[in-house]
Amino acid sequence: RKEVEQDPGPFNVPEGATVAFNCTYSNSASQSFFWYRQDCRKEPKLLMSVYSSGNEDGRFTAQLNRASQYISLLIRDSKLSDSATYLCVVTPYSSASKIIFGSGTRLSIRP
Amino acid sequence: NAGVTQTPKFRILKIGQSMTLQCAQDMNHNYMYWYRQDPGMGLKLIYYSVGAGITDKGEVPNGYNVSRSTTEDFPLRLELAAPSQTSVYFCASSSETLGRARGADTQYFGPGTRLTVL
Repeated sequence: RKEVEQDPGPFNVPEGATVAFNCTYSNSASQSFFWYRQDCRKEPKLLMSVYSSGNEDGRFTAQLNRASQYISLLIRDSKLSDSATYLCVVTPYSSASKIIFGSGTRLSIRP
Repeated sequence: NAGVTQTPKFRILKIGQSMTLQCAQDMNHNYMYWYRQDPGMGLKLIYYSVGAGITDKGEVPNGYNVSRSTTEDFPLRLELAAPSQTSVYFCASSSETLGRARGADTQYFGPGTRLTVL
């Protein structure tokens, strides 16, 4: 089993829709969680950190479910500009050597 | 601030050649990282550094070497290029290691170097 798994997609949704996808992790000792966004042939950029209490930033909401070992990302009122690949990142607390990136979920927003 | 810069943007190597991928950051970050990303895959950590003079292996270090003589620079060396090293290489930096301090652990990535080994 992969340490971090994501549905590769693509998720193809109309503009204005709500879309959500998950990322599961296998190491129960994982402490820090992040969502990154990566546009085609570009570098990843931090979208948001995922805290135990959840995290909301405008149209984006991230949740952590430790019992089931997954994190989620919800995008409301999706825009064309949201089209990208979303990478989840999982790491044990304060360990730079064990940063695990998921393979990413591709999201395509259609007009 | 230029952020994280990488050179070259593209490179084609023959098997057995060597090269150095350059990475520099002007944010005075202690932590720097090298990743590789194969098509359709996530990033894999090659090496990282927690400060000048200190480097350590990540998940996939074989075939690579690094050095960190200054806070700003973190070059990645390929000694004997192999086709398996064809990939996109990203350098990143952060002021703190991930998870240590909210907001301070954001990794900033360079634009990447696309390397093909033939």
